[in-house]
Amino acid sequence: KAGVTQTPRYLIKTRGQQVTLSCSPISGHRSVSWYQQTPGQGLQFLFEYFSETQRNKGNFPGRFSGRQFSNSRSEMNVSTLELGDSALYLCASSLVQQGRAEKLFFGSGTQLSVL
Amino acid sequence: AQSVTQLGSHVSVSEGALVLLRCNYSSSVPPYLFWYVQYPNQGLQLLLKYTTGATLVKGINGFEAEFKKSETSFHLTKPSAHMSDAAEYFCAVSGRDSGYSTLTFGKGTMLLVSP
Repeated sequence: KAGVTQTPRYLIKTRGQQVTLSCSPISGHRSVSWYQQTPGQGLQFLFEYFSETQRNKGNFPGRFSGRQFSNSRSEMNVSTLELGDSALYLCASSLVQQGRAEKLFFGSGTQLSVL
Repeated sequence: AQSVTQLGSHVSVSEGALVLLRCNYSSSVPPYLFWYVQYPNQGLQLLLKYTTGATLVKGINGFEAEFKKSETSFHLTKPSAHMSDAAEYFCAVSGRDSGYSTLTFGKGTMLLVSP
């Protein structure tokens, strides 16, 4: 069974640009969550999607957005990039039982560098 | 609001020695507690979790953790360190209503194992 796949693995952008990151969950997993990892702030929850709907959202500005497609694949978008957006963006997928996400399976992440 | 404090950003042990990684949490209600491990250039992997029931939780790779409500702690231990245990370890907490997807992580502890 294939794991969580994130593309691209590395990305370099300049300030002011926008970027889209992609996440393909494990087959059968309908919940997809996104996390930002930086040396200073550590791991922070961005948002969770389930059945194409955002269920939970972390404390990030509106420049950070996401969506989920009918096949459970998810994308996140960051507009008007800032230097501080440089981070490892991790996607995690999970089964949902009784309305709650179960064990998280993480992808290897997309390393975004903003110059 | 929930928070997690991991004592010590770096812990060094010799191969064969006891591993003890400390985690204290703050939560207004009994939380779910987790330990994740991250190897270089990889995503996070779940080591173990506490939800309800037995307070001593056994995980993969010989790790275990004990939930102590009176001390608001969830320390991770392994009796004998192996070189392959060198990695970064994260303690995390989630609310019981939000499931396992909305995690608040500690800053992480890098475990260094010397021969």
